Amino acid sequence: QSVLTQPPSASGTPGQSVTISCSGSNSNIGSNTVNWYQHLPGTAPELLIYSNNQRPSGIPDRFSGSKSGTSASLAISGLQSEDESDYYCATWDDNLKGVIFGGGTKLTVL
Amino acid sequence: EVQLVDSGGGLVHPGESLRLSCAASGFTFNAYGINWVRQAPGKGLEWIAHVSSSSMTISYADSVKGRFTISRDNAKNSAWLQMNSLRDEDTATYYCARARSLDVWGQGTTVTVSS
Repeated sequence: QSVLTQPPSASGTPGQSVTISCSGSNSNIGSNTVNWYQHLPGTAPELLIYSNNQRPSGIPDRFSGSKSGTSASLAISGLQSEDESDYYCATWDDNLKGVIFGGGTKLTVL
Repeated sequence: EVQLVDSGGGLVHPGESLRLSCAASGFTFNAYGINWVRQAPGKGLEWIAHVSSSSMTISYADSVKGRFTISRDNAKNSAWLQMNSLRDEDTATYYCARARSLDVWGQGTTVTVSS
C-alpha cells in the first residue's frame, strides 16, 4: 500500500487528453513539491514534471502538472501511442524523511 | 553529458551480501544528493536510501534499515549501496538517481536473491 494514491490504470485514444491524480497528506504533498515520472519497464524512469508544474528541457508541453493542497495531477494532452507507459508521482515525506512514490498508473492508448 | 551508471547486480543466495556502484559524470557530483530506488518484479518504484551531497544526512526506508548502507566518495564521483543479509524480497532492479527530484537516473542493475 503506497503512501501516495494513484489510480492503477488510465486510458485514452490518440489525440484525447487524460489526467492522472495523486493523493497524499499534509506531511508529504501538503508540505513538499511533487514530481512525476514516466517509466517504461526495462528502461530508466524519466522525470516529466518537477516542482509541481515545471517541465525539464526536452519534455513536450503536452505534459503538465498541478498541485492543490494534498493532491496533485498530471495532465497529458494530444495523446500519442508513445505515451503508453507507467506514470508515478513522488514527493518528500517529512515523517519518513525520504522520497515516497505513488503506486503507479498504467496508461493505455487505445 | 549528465550521466549515472549503476552496476554490481547479480545472483546471490539469501543471507549473502552485494555492493552496488553508481558512477557519475557530466555534472558537479558533490553538489547533489544521491538516492537508490528499486523496482521489484511486477511492483512499483520504491525509494530505499538517500545520502546528501556532503554525506551529512543519510536516510533509509524501513524495509532496508539496518541491512543496507549508502555511501559516497565525492573525490571519485561515485556512490555505493552495500546490501547485507539479502532476502528474497530484495530481488529487484536497482537504480541510483540524483537529488531529491530524482532528475537523472542510472540505467538500472538487477539483483536476484534466490536459493
